[in-house]
Amino acid sequence: QITLKESGPTLVKPTQTLTLTCTFSGFSLSTSGVGVGWIRQPPGKALEWLALIYWDDDKRYSPSLKNRLTITKDTSKNQVVLTLTNMDPVDTATYYCAHGGGYAAHFDYWGQGTLVTVSS
Amino acid sequence: DIQMTQSPSSVSASVGDRVTITCRASQGISSWLAWYQQKPGKAPKLLIYAASSLQSGVPSRFSGSGSGTDFTLTISSLQPEDFATYYCQQAKSFPRTFGQGTKVEIK
Repeated sequence: QITLKESGPTLVKPTQTLTLTCTFSGFSLSTSGVGVGWIRQPPGKALEWLALIYWDDDKRYSPSLKNRLTITKDTSKNQVVLTLTNMDPVDTATYYCAHGGGYAAHFDYWGQGTLVTVSS
Repeated sequence: DIQMTQSPSSVSASVGDRVTITCRASQGISSWLAWYQQKPGKAPKLLIYAASSLQSGVPSRFSGSGSGTDFTLTISSLQPEDFATYYCQQAKSFPRTFGQGTKVEIK
């Protein structure tokens, strides 16, 4: 049974750095073909793909946020960490991590999401 | 980036109705398309991948079709639990991109 759960701050101030951790179980991020991605959703808006990390440490980023995003993995802890620098109120959103099925072509298991609000 | 455009943005339908949602890609993506269902306050749920493959556990009233640039999600007989927002997502290239969503509402 695959499960994922996001953790991190619920409130950050403008210009601060957001660090979110995705802790998962039921699969290994050292298995060929496996990927974990991050997707966010501002309140009342559509889904936005942010980043993805593969089992071989290949990393992909949204071009619009690439300068601000970093994704890393800790295989021994079954965790993926996303950092987003220079937070702005427009970054207020629910942040999801998800297991990438089919070489991360689609996302077949999702965390419950964590709402991050950016406000001074 | 590949842009994904869904239509309609919302649809009002009754239980038992057949509902079709369309997703168009700005360039050809072969069959690299997934569909998700999202209910308020919940994470998205994968319904269809590879344009027409039904995810395990998803009712057979959901089906997907299309290739290239034009795709459809069909709900053959709408059930009360199907009222939700539906998103398409292309998986042909990075960055992965989603459509803007289609809200299926009760008529």
